Amino acid sequence: KNQVEQSPQSLIILEGKNCTLQCNYTVSPFSNLRWYKQDTGRGPVSLTIMTFSENTKSNGRYTATLDADTKQSSLHITASQLSDSASYICVVSVHGNKLVFGAGTILRVKS
Amino acid sequence: GAVVSQHPSWVICKSGTSVKIECRSLDFQATTMFWYRQFPKQSLMLMATSNEGSKATYEQGVEKDKFLINHASLTLSTLTVTSAHPEDSSFYICSAQEPTTRGTDTQYFGPGTRLTVL
Repeated sequence: KNQVEQSPQSLIILEGKNCTLQCNYTVSPFSNLRWYKQDTGRGPVSLTIMTFSENTKSNGRYTATLDADTKQSSLHITASQLSDSASYICVVSVHGNKLVFGAGTILRVKS
Repeated sequence: GAVVSQHPSWVICKSGTSVKIECRSLDFQATTMFWYRQFPKQSLMLMATSNEGSKATYEQGVEKDKFLINHASLTLSTLTVTSAHPEDSSFYICSAQEPTTRGTDTQYFGPGTRLTVL
């Protein structure tokens, strides 16, 4: 069964601190892995997308890693800001364009 | 980046009425669009895949006669919730797929439509 599991479920950090979100997946056949940021009441916004051969991808203060052997990915947020408070969703694409969504990690950045 | 819009952003309706939600890709052509539903504190659940000019493909458990999907053009798909009931209250999100040269087709999500059925 295709599954994407994210940890932690929720996280609270102080503004300016770094954090790392985890994603484990059992999806086959794997096409690519994406991280999205979803603000409350809004649609998801793409942060990074990585194919099988890519190990890391950065987008500003966001850096995603992918280990296709262990089927793990992480999203590292550097120097967090209050506006980073959101749900971060790991999504794995199966060949044929179907997306398998993780449940998301709710991040709250406090001042 | 590519922009996908939805209209309306929120709607409140009476039980038994029908509600139409529009999804538009503003600066690219999308042969495939997707409709999702999201309940509070849960992730997105795919309802159906919409291909321009053909019938939508519905996920298991989604009633096609209740959730009517029309993908009349390469930039517009509509979802009509017919005879809405309070349990249909949810956050409906569409996405449009833009093919890329690398083969990593990217889905761009709309901002969502909050439906509340009284």
